[in-house]
Amino acid sequence: NAGVTQTPKFRVLKTGQSMTLLCAQDMNHEYMYWYRQDPGMGLRLIHYSVGEGTTAKGEVPDGYNVSRLKKQNFLLGLESAAPSQTSVYFCASSYSTDRDRYNQPQHFGDGTRLSIL
Amino acid sequence: GESVGLHLPTLSVQEGDNSIINCAYSNSASDYFIWYKQESGKGPQFIIDIRSNMDKRQGQRVTVLLNKTVKHLSLQIAATQPGDSAVYFCAEKGYQAGTALIFGKGTTLSVSS
Repeated sequence: NAGVTQTPKFRVLKTGQSMTLLCAQDMNHEYMYWYRQDPGMGLRLIHYSVGEGTTAKGEVPDGYNVSRLKKQNFLLGLESAAPSQTSVYFCASSYSTDRDRYNQPQHFGDGTRLSIL
Repeated sequence: GESVGLHLPTLSVQEGDNSIINCAYSNSASDYFIWYKQESGKGPQFIIDIRSNMDKRQGQRVTVLLNKTVKHLSLQIAATQPGDSAVYFCAEKGYQAGTALIFGKGTTLSVSS
């Protein structure tokens, strides 16, 4: 059971380049999330999805797009990378809060370290 | 706005001591709280959670205390071990479906043997 898997683990981009980060989970979770983590700060939510085919904006969505075409995958795209997007990106997933009418803990991948020059 | 913070950015303890990591939250509407442990180069790892209808919950060597009156959350680690050295984050979440966690900035726990 791999849990949450993120690819790639590391990437260096030039300003203006585009790329897609992939997140895959094998726990049959309904909800998936993308966060970024910057030095000295906690994680900040970029976008999230409550189910296949649905996405929503989080706290810091500008410059990013997402897609959830399959339940187990959640893609994060950078259309035109900027140095301010240098960060560590974490994907997480959780069961729906409808499961037992309570919140469920989110499970995280090990991150993608992205540097934009 | 909502914010979750920690009282101390760093905490140093001796192996075998009990550790207490504190967290203050500002949103009285939050009803679910989680503690995560993050080791270098890894993603946050779930430790323990607590719902707002409880004031204490125990796990293996860990206890979370919730004081809603003063909006304070704490994580107690018994018999701290070198493997407990990591950054610890508290996070809060509202009751709305799909809303994500709001994380504090983290406390770095260093355990010396």
